[in-house]
Amino acid sequence: ETGVTQSPTHLIKTRGQQVTLRCSSQSGHNTVSWYQQALGQGPQFIFQYYREEENGRGNFPPRFSGLQFPNYSSELNVNALELDDSALYLCASSSTSGRRYEQFFGPGTRLTVL
Amino acid sequence: AQSVSQHNHHVILSEAASLELGCNYSYGGTVNLFWYVQYPGQHLQLLLKYFSGDPLVKGIKGFEAEFIKSKFSFNLRKPSVQWSDTAEYFCAVNADANQAGTALIFGKGTTLSVSS
Repeated sequence: ETGVTQSPTHLIKTRGQQVTLRCSSQSGHNTVSWYQQALGQGPQFIFQYYREEENGRGNFPPRFSGLQFPNYSSELNVNALELDDSALYLCASSSTSGRRYEQFFGPGTRLTVL
Repeated sequence: AQSVSQHNHHVILSEAASLELGCNYSYGGTVNLFWYVQYPGQHLQLLLKYFSGDPLVKGIKGFEAEFIKSKFSFNLRKPSVQWSDTAEYFCAVNADANQAGTALIFGKGTTLSVSS
């Protein structure tokens, strides 16, 4: 069973730039959630994708957007990067059948905005 | 809005000491409760979960947690910690009424340092 994978591992961008982070869900999972974890904080929910559509969103501005593909992989896009966007971005996958509330996390992408 | 509060920011224990980490949530309806652990350099892993039934749940590596509905609490316990338990611990809640379905609301985390 392949776990959740994310790429890249680390990324350095400057203010105003755009970034795309990628996530491959665990096999058999059809739902992907994205979280932002700032230093010293718990993960904060950004949004969730199911059947290639956004299925809920946390308190994040529209410049945070995403996609889910037919193979259930997902992208997180952030436009007009700000210094406060520096964080660990976590992807989690889950299944709508069976234990639908269990989420399995990837290793994260560390984004630094200079 | 739902929120999760973890009382201890940093806990320092010696090996073999007992552990209890506090977690309280604010939501009056049905909830699913989780404890996640993040070992140094590793990703978040599920330690244990509560959906329904017996309020005392057992997880991996000897951890257990007790759901007390009247106190909105889900405290994590371990009778005897080991050096390898050094990690960041996160309590998380999912409410059935959450608009995002299975979105998790996390606490700020507790850093556990165990000295040998």
